[in-house]
Amino acid sequence: SYELTQPPSVSVSPGQTASITCSGDKLGDKYACWYQQKPGQSPVLVIYQDTKRPSGIPERFSGSNSGNTATLTISGTQAMDEADYYCQAWHSSTVVFGGGTKLTVL
Amino acid sequence: QVQLQESGPGLVKPSETLSLTCTVSGGSISSYYWSWIRQPAGKGLEWIGRIYTSGSTNYNPSLKSRVTMSVDTSKNQFSLKLSSVTAADTAVYYCARAYIVGAHNWFDRWGQGTLVTVSS
Repeated sequence: SYELTQPPSVSVSPGQTASITCSGDKLGDKYACWYQQKPGQSPVLVIYQDTKRPSGIPERFSGSNSGNTATLTISGTQAMDEADYYCQAWHSSTVVFGGGTKLTVL
Repeated sequence: QVQLQESGPGLVKPSETLSLTCTVSGGSISSYYWSWIRQPAGKGLEWIGRIYTSGSTNYNPSLKSRVTMSVDTSKNQFSLKLSSVTAADTAVYYCARAYIVGAHNWFDRWGQGTLVTVSS
């Protein structure tokens, strides 16, 4: 089965840039998307089709996908960005989620 | 604005069947894929499966033998049945709208989630 691997945790200082990676075999040949989930809340889509932002998502969220790695980048990270982030892709007629990364804004 | 709301028993006995319904409001259920996703406490997201409004389905291979999804377009609802549940099926269950472009599937609308506990 296809697997997406994320680091369990990432820390960043306020105002700095946070990068969260998602690795999978030839992931760059697929589309990746990203969700933000705050405690007690449902996930929210922040990036789809590798690089696109849904309406209402701040410009500081961006994405890329190449080779075996998709990356979610948060520029000028704010305290409100502290959350769990999940990558997701579509493989062989199934949805695959990464294990999630807890972003801590110190 | 499309909204999704899960409903169903919060407690299910081991070996029985978990049944949940998702009601879609603020828009038509037609011409979209609809999914169920679950999340055990403190853990990550697990996709259960999806259904198109025609009734066509795709299921997670790890759950396929126990999952049945259905859709009722007249009620703007879709449903999940998971049979032979165990404690490992205890989780928050989300319904979500799947947006499909080519070989890409993403979830742009989510329900608030409902906790289902499997216990005697």
